[in-house]
Amino acid sequence: TQLLEQSPQFLSIQEGENLTVYCNSSSVFSSLQWYRQEPGEGPVLLVTVVTGGEVKKLKRLTFQFGDARKDSSLHITAAQTGDTGLYLCAGATSGNTGKLIFGQGTTLQVKP
Amino acid sequence: DAGVIQSPRHEVTEMGQEVTLRCKPISGHNSLFWYRQTMMRGLELLIYFNNNVPIDDSGMPEDRFSAKMPNASFSTLKIQPSEPRDSAVYFCASRRAGLFGNTIYFGEGSWLTVV
Repeated sequence: TQLLEQSPQFLSIQEGENLTVYCNSSSVFSSLQWYRQEPGEGPVLLVTVVTGGEVKKLKRLTFQFGDARKDSSLHITAAQTGDTGLYLCAGATSGNTGKLIFGQGTTLQVKP
Repeated sequence: DAGVIQSPRHEVTEMGQEVTLRCKPISGHNSLFWYRQTMMRGLELLIYFNNNVPIDDSGMPEDRFSAKMPNASFSTLKIQPSEPRDSAVYFCASRRAGLFGNTIYFGEGSWLTVV
């Protein structure tokens, strides 16, 4: 069974601080995605990383895919209250028809 | 453009009753997924379809759960009989398969409470 473990599970920080969320697995994934979910809504895709070692930036968010394509990280610089939410990583099992395996999620609270 | 549409948004039912959740994927999408989300287990894939055909139903908990996709624009997830442990948010999602790493779009979810 392929599993994705996210850490930390909960994170409460002050506005302006930096943070990193980790997503780890013993399995290799063909691609990895990060989603953000707000209360009462479905997850929304933030980014997809495909190549080992790939780094993508989305404004203050930096996503990295591990060289071996088994792990990933999400770094947020100068967090804002609007970043509050549940962050989920998801690994694609195979090719372009593969299913996504989700991590348990990291709940982020950014306090003003 | 309309996103993935799910109904009902909220349902409270008594144990033993049949529950039917409905999903309309985004037009043109040919893959459809049913997920269940709980605090304890996170987001779990129950079943997914490609071109209306079930590809992987290994996540379906037990025989009480069944899913159908009679055409490209409609899918149902049925629980019969329902049990309190089925209480969760059920998400339907769709995508246009064939593009590597392309986006899966989620509906807003159906919040099910079985009492």
